[in-house]
Amino acid sequence: GENVEQHPSTLSVQEGDSAVIKCTYSDSASNYFPWYKQELGKRPQLIIDIRSNVGEKKDQRIAVTLNKTAKHFSLHITETQPEDSAVYFCAAPPVGTYKYIFGTGTRLKVLA
Amino acid sequence: NAGVTQTPKFQVLKTGQSMTLQCAQDMNHEYMSWYRQDPGMGLRLIHYSVGAGITDQGEVPNGYNVSRSTTEDFPLRLLSAAPSQTSVYFCASSYGQRDTGELFFGEGSRLTVL
Repeated sequence: GENVEQHPSTLSVQEGDSAVIKCTYSDSASNYFPWYKQELGKRPQLIIDIRSNVGEKKDQRIAVTLNKTAKHFSLHITETQPEDSAVYFCAAPPVGTYKYIFGTGTRLKVLA
Repeated sequence: NAGVTQTPKFQVLKTGQSMTLQCAQDMNHEYMSWYRQDPGMGLRLIHYSVGAGITDQGEVPNGYNVSRSTTEDFPLRLLSAAPSQTSVYFCASSYGQRDTGELFFGEGSRLTVL
């Protein structure tokens, strides 16, 4: 069945440093790997996603890497800023099930 | 487009009362779902639907009912509210089916059960 593990649960970094959040999934049928950001009191919103036919995708200061063999993918945020402080969620919905299960979330705090 | 619209935004219930959280989307999305988010916790899938007339259970379905009579609407019903159902509820939708993609979330409904 679907299972996504996300680590760490909390992460504090100094402004300007990098942050890395990792997710591990169990279903080899998964081929879509999104990351969502949820600011305090707001709805989750997609910030970046990757499909299984590529190993890395970048969008300005954020990037996602995928290792299908090891069944894990990671979110990388470089040059962190205070506005990056939020909770980040990953997901790995398996093809054909349509059950969009999220990881448990990572609370990122960027310290000024 | 309004996107995903949830009502009400806030609700207080007494134990045993029933209510319906409304969710509507105007993007012609096939996939719709309901999540609950407890304080300090993640998003847990309650029920989902891949099209009108089709619903299925998620991770935490007990105590909740859903129906999908139209593509646009996906209401969540609490038949007999319990304090354990105090949470923030999010409705989300996606094009779904052929191409798993971005989930669009509503603003959330904060429910308190006394």
